[in-house]
Amino acid sequence: DAGVIQSPRHEVTEMGQEVTLRCKPISGHNSLFWYRQTMMRGLELLIYFNNNVPIDDSGMPEDRFSAKMPNASFSTLKIQPSEPRDSAVYFCASSGIIGNEKLFFGSGTQLSVL
Amino acid sequence: GIQVEQSPPDLILQEGANSTLRCNFSDSVNNLQWFHQNPWGQLINLFYIPSGTKQNGRLSATTVATERYSLLYISSSQTTDSGVYFCAVAGSQGNLIFGKGTKLSVKP
Repeated sequence: DAGVIQSPRHEVTEMGQEVTLRCKPISGHNSLFWYRQTMMRGLELLIYFNNNVPIDDSGMPEDRFSAKMPNASFSTLKIQPSEPRDSAVYFCASSGIIGNEKLFFGSGTQLSVL
Repeated sequence: GIQVEQSPPDLILQEGANSTLRCNFSDSVNNLQWFHQNPWGQLINLFYIPSGTKQNGRLSATTVATERYSLLYISSSQTTDSGVYFCAVAGSQGNLIFGKGTKLSVKP
């Protein structure tokens, strides 16, 4: 299995631009999570999906952030417009059965907003 | 929501030493996992351990759910064990919440 695949690995953009991060979960997993990691706030859960349905998006910082999961093999996290304080590493992770399986992480996307 | 506290925040060991990392949580949990983030930023799942004891090579973990804590044991530490160790817990809703981690440095 290829594991959780995220793209791009690095993204550098200017303030005000739209950013789209992509994730392909492990085949057969039905739960998908988006996390953000910064030095100040550590690993924060932004949103998670179960069977392609958003279950909890209370961690999404504000309306500039949105996430979709149109099918079981693809999810996006979009930031529009981006701001310098959005700079962080964004991780996608997936697990088999929500709350009862190991969580596997992708390699992350390093986002820098100038 | 559930609060997760890890200790110690930082740990420096000489190669070959043993160590114990602790994770305390504030409420009953259905899910507890330990992760290692290596110096390149990759997050690796070490254990899924909502209760009981598991061992994997030089690593072992014990969770005492009734007392709301978990321990990660590292024996005969190696320089490749360096990095940050995270504990993550989830209640009935399933959203895994991470602690702030223990940063481990193993010196040769």
